[in-house]
Amino acid sequence: GEDVEQSLFLSVREGDSSVINCTYTDSSSTYLYWYKQEPGAGLQLLTYIFSNMDMKQDQRLTVLLNKKDKHLSLRIADTQTGDSAIYFCAERYSSASKIIFGSGTRLSIRP
Amino acid sequence: DAGVIQSPRHEVTEMGQEVTLRCKPISGHNSLFWYRQTMMRGLELLIYFNNNVPIDDSGMPEDRFSAKMPNASFSTLKIQPSEPRDSAVYFCASRREGADTQYFGPGTRLTVL
Repeated sequence: GEDVEQSLFLSVREGDSSVINCTYTDSSSTYLYWYKQEPGAGLQLLTYIFSNMDMKQDQRLTVLLNKKDKHLSLRIADTQTGDSAIYFCAERYSSASKIIFGSGTRLSIRP
Repeated sequence: DAGVIQSPRHEVTEMGQEVTLRCKPISGHNSLFWYRQTMMRGLELLIYFNNNVPIDDSGMPEDRFSAKMPNASFSTLKIQPSEPRDSAVYFCASRREGADTQYFGPGTRLTVL
C-alpha cells in the first residue's frame, strides 16, 4: 500500500546543514514533494522532484532521490532559525491522483 | 492572487453543536482537498473533489462528517454533531488541473469542548 515514513524530530546547530530523510513504498510514484509548515500556518510547497531525476538544487535546498531504495532527502545548507518548522515529505503517482503525506519531521535549531 | 481562503480561522464550540468550515479555492483551480491535522494522527486527507464532484471520501471519519462543493469557488465541511475528538486543525487545499502541486489554506483550528 501507499506509505511515506519520516523521523519525527531533528535538531541541528545554527549554521550547520540539516538533512531530513524520507522513505516511500510506491515505486510508481511520479512526483515527490517537500512541504514546510511553520507554527500556526498551512503547508507551503518548498520544492518537488520528478521520479526521473536524481537531484534538484534550489538555493540552500538540495533534494536527492534514490529510486532503487525509495529514499528521498532534503538538505538545507547553512540552517537558520527561520528554518524551524515541520517538514513533510509527500508522493503522488500521477497528475490525477491524490498526494500521500508523511507524518512530518520537526526541525529545531539550537544556537 | 489571494490564495486559498478558509473561514473561520478559529472555532470553539460545545459538544453536540453543528460546525461548518468554509473554503474558497484559488480561482481557476478545479481540485479541492480537505485535510485534518492532529498531533496523534498527523495530516489526514478527508475528501477531495474534482470539478465539484467528490472523488474520494474514504478518509471521512464517520457519518457525522459531510462535505459539499456547490460550485467551483466554494466548499464546506460540516460536522454534526461535533465531539471533543474532532478537535484539530482542518486544512483546505486546491490544485489546477494538470498542475504538479496543490496549495494549502491557513487552516481552521477547531476546538470542541
